[in-house]
Amino acid sequence: AQTVTQSQPEMSVQEAETVTLSCTYDTSESDYYLFWYKQPPSRQMILVIRQEAYKQQNATENRFSVNFQKAAKSFSLKISDSQLGDAAMYFCAYRSEGGSEKLVFGKGTKLTVNP
Amino acid sequence: DVKVTQSSRYLVKRTGEKVFLECVQDMDHENMFWYRQDPGLGLRLIYFSYDVKMKEKGDIPEGYSVSREKKERFSLILESASTNQTSMYLCASSFFRDEQYFGPGTRLTVT
Repeated sequence: AQTVTQSQPEMSVQEAETVTLSCTYDTSESDYYLFWYKQPPSRQMILVIRQEAYKQQNATENRFSVNFQKAAKSFSLKISDSQLGDAAMYFCAYRSEGGSEKLVFGKGTKLTVNP
Repeated sequence: DVKVTQSSRYLVKRTGEKVFLECVQDMDHENMFWYRQDPGLGLRLIYFSYDVKMKEKGDIPEGYSVSREKKERFSLILESASTNQTSMYLCASSFFRDEQYFGPGTRLTVT
């Protein structure tokens, strides 16, 4: 069974600085998807960024980018120019390419942005 | 915009009550999911459905059942609520092999 580990329960960053959230996963599959989801306080969870395992190029979405290291089974999220609105719980998630549609989530990292 | 709505944001029930949590999506998604979110445990899948009247158990189905009679609606049922089912419940939906969209969540307290 696949597992996802987020080793940082909490992180903090100063506004306008850069922060990196860590995620590692364990799988025996070669094809899969990885996701970062953001859950702001009392608001809906939204997708931040996704990465297909077959793609070598790291995904980017505006100020959000990932460092995908397939051999190391590592998938970190970098947030540049942090804003107060980035404060949220961030969840890393895994989904198989074939088979089940289910997402396997890490336990989350709570990000605080200090003004 | 995709909309996934849940019937209640907050719900308080007594031990032993039968509880229904409703989820509705407006994007004609095939897949619908129910997750439970607890501090320090992340999200865990309870059940999911890939078509009307079809369902599959997730990682923690014990004490729960589901119903999907229409494509847009997916219900989570607690047959006899217990205090250890106090939690945040999140519904999600998606097209086949696509991004999951989440509802706002229902915070259920069982006393």
